[in-house]
Amino acid sequence: DVKVTQSSRYLVKRTGEKVFLECVQDMDHENMFWYRQDPGLGLRLIYFSYDVKMKEKGDIPEGYSVSREKKERFSLILESASTNQTSMYLCASSLRQPTEAFFGQGTRLTVV
Amino acid sequence: RKEVEQDPGPFNVPEGATVAFNCTYSNSASQSFFWYRQDCRKEPKLLMSVYSSGNEDGRFTAQLNRASQYISLLIRDSKLSDSATYLCVVNTGDNTDKLIFGTGTRLQVFP
Repeated sequence: DVKVTQSSRYLVKRTGEKVFLECVQDMDHENMFWYRQDPGLGLRLIYFSYDVKMKEKGDIPEGYSVSREKKERFSLILESASTNQTSMYLCASSLRQPTEAFFGQGTRLTVV
Repeated sequence: RKEVEQDPGPFNVPEGATVAFNCTYSNSASQSFFWYRQDCRKEPKLLMSVYSSGNEDGRFTAQLNRASQYISLLIRDSKLSDSATYLCVVNTGDNTDKLIFGTGTRLQVFP
């Protein structure tokens, strides 16, 4: 079974802190994604990576950066957390040629 | 215009009913289409891919209309366990594998 693991289920951080959200997949997938999910807005793509060290901006990259140094790991970084980044963050992975994307269980981040 | 649009619902239907959801997409170059299901406080999971000729999986039927740029999901003989949010997913069509999600349609099946 494909497994996508996010490092934390719940996080509380202070405004201005640097926040790292980690995601690891165990199926050798080329593609990895970071989304955030907010009520009424659905899942919005923050960043996408199709290979090690390769990344593309999604619809809402402002305030975020990503790192993919190894194929299995895709990190989302909030350089200076703000309250409007309070959200559910979902990581996903898939093979090339859009196929099924497998999601992690999500990280609910609260910025206070 | 949003890239992928869905009616948020909720659709409240009795057990045994047939219900249909539509989803429109804006990029005519999109090539891959999916329906995902998301239960409350859970991650989304693939329900079915949508093929050009339409496809069926048990009580679920998916259709694609490229001319009008919409996909549909039909659920027959609804079960209580079908209560969930159904997400329409489309790739961006720009020769990448980026997947764009609709905001979802909530279905509530009642006894």
